[in-house]
Amino acid sequence: DSGVTQTPKHLITATGQRVTLRCSPRSGDLSVYWYQQSLDQGLQFLIQYYNGEERAKGNILERFSAQQFPDLHSELNLSSLELGDSALYFCASSVDVSTDTQYFGPGTRLTVL
Amino acid sequence: AQSVTQPDIHITVSEGASLELRCNYSYGATPYLFWYVQSPGQGLQLLLKYFSGDTLVQGIKGFEAEFKRSQSSFNLRKPSVHWSDAAEYFCAVGASNTGNQFYFGTGTSLTVIP
Repeated sequence: DSGVTQTPKHLITATGQRVTLRCSPRSGDLSVYWYQQSLDQGLQFLIQYYNGEERAKGNILERFSAQQFPDLHSELNLSSLELGDSALYFCASSVDVSTDTQYFGPGTRLTVL
Repeated sequence: AQSVTQPDIHITVSEGASLELRCNYSYGATPYLFWYVQSPGQGLQLLLKYFSGDTLVQGIKGFEAEFKRSQSSFNLRKPSVHWSDAAEYFCAVGASNTGNQFYFGTGTSLTVIP
């Protein structure tokens, strides 16, 4: 158990819908990262937050957004969902932003029908 | 640009045999390297990491990896594989100049046969 929690574990929804994925980092970790894992794209970095502020952006679509709250939990919002958004979404956390080990949550499996 | 290559998509070994998973990276500065393992339906578990110092690092579950700067490699090894080692293995490089963004390889799937 990494100490990173993600909810829900599974999510099934329809095209065009919007969903919110939630992540709670390890106690004491200030940085949260979101990744998407799909069969064709592998593990792709989406976005990073540090202590409430966006720190780095990767291959995140404009339909996707995220935020980190004062209690340090983070939410990833996915809207206007498409079939291709079906994937495993991982959250990771680390103490800070400088070359620190990232600890991964169990992931949320999103299925878009 | 930073990148990680895992040349072997799939490897099959017999239980008790030795294992080496290859990882090559491209990074302009001193790399921070990691190996993670992912069992089916699970998250990623850290096996080991290299930040600096001794180029041979020990990890959990009997794994080790050696950093070779001249070859831009960070290969994962285990002297004797157990059936429970069957999983997907990911090599990653951390990029300190972009806020600790990780770049992952495409993974190597390991099958262990009795």
